[in-house]
Amino acid sequence: DAKTTQPPSMDCAEGRAANLPCNHSTISGNEYVYWYRQIHSQGPQYIIHGLKNNETNEMASLIITEDRKSSTLILPHATLRDTAVYYCIVRVENYGQNFVFGPGTRLSVLP
Amino acid sequence: GAGVSQSPSNKVTEKGKDVELRCDPISGHTALYWYRQSLGQGLEFLIYFQGNSAPDKSGLPSDRFSAERTGGSVSTLTIQRTQQEDSAVYLCASSFLWVGGAHEQYFGPGTRLTVT
Repeated sequence: DAKTTQPPSMDCAEGRAANLPCNHSTISGNEYVYWYRQIHSQGPQYIIHGLKNNETNEMASLIITEDRKSSTLILPHATLRDTAVYYCIVRVENYGQNFVFGPGTRLSVLP
Repeated sequence: GAGVSQSPSNKVTEKGKDVELRCDPISGHTALYWYRQSLGQGLEFLIYFQGNSAPDKSGLPSDRFSAERTGGSVSTLTIQRTQQEDSAVYLCASSFLWVGGAHEQYFGPGTRLTVT
């Protein structure tokens, strides 16, 4: 799988948009971009995924650059409960391939 | 609907004892995964099941670790002769399985294992 690079930590004010970047410059054409988060003492939680187009769901938006070498996860109105480690993962869609989690970005939402 | 459940939520055991950790995946999910996460570390893949078979056991750290899945549903991870370095949170995830397309995995809350 392609390697991803994320900043180790970020702060965001409560109520503001949190924009979490991810670089995946070696991504190949059949690899999806996934985002998960892990709130303290809980299992990872799926957020969103995409291939080429921008995606939006009830949790977040995913913006993927045209060359697919980077992406941004956007939490439009961050709350204190969004404080977590956010993982960007790229993965080929093979049968049952495990996710490879890097160190992620520790997002702190501040009151 | 019900998510992935794991039991026990916490387990404290003495070094050298055997432990069994249980995972109940989301109903209808054919794929099941075990990971572990040591304190302050990232997730480490252990094993993956497709139905009842395990095509990928590459992540099991030693032959003291084994896992089985019966009826295409519940899975048990067994650690024999536990060591202190086995202390970690053991996470289970499940997903649908089909050719092509995205396969998001849904994780359980984990079992925190402490070996004293």
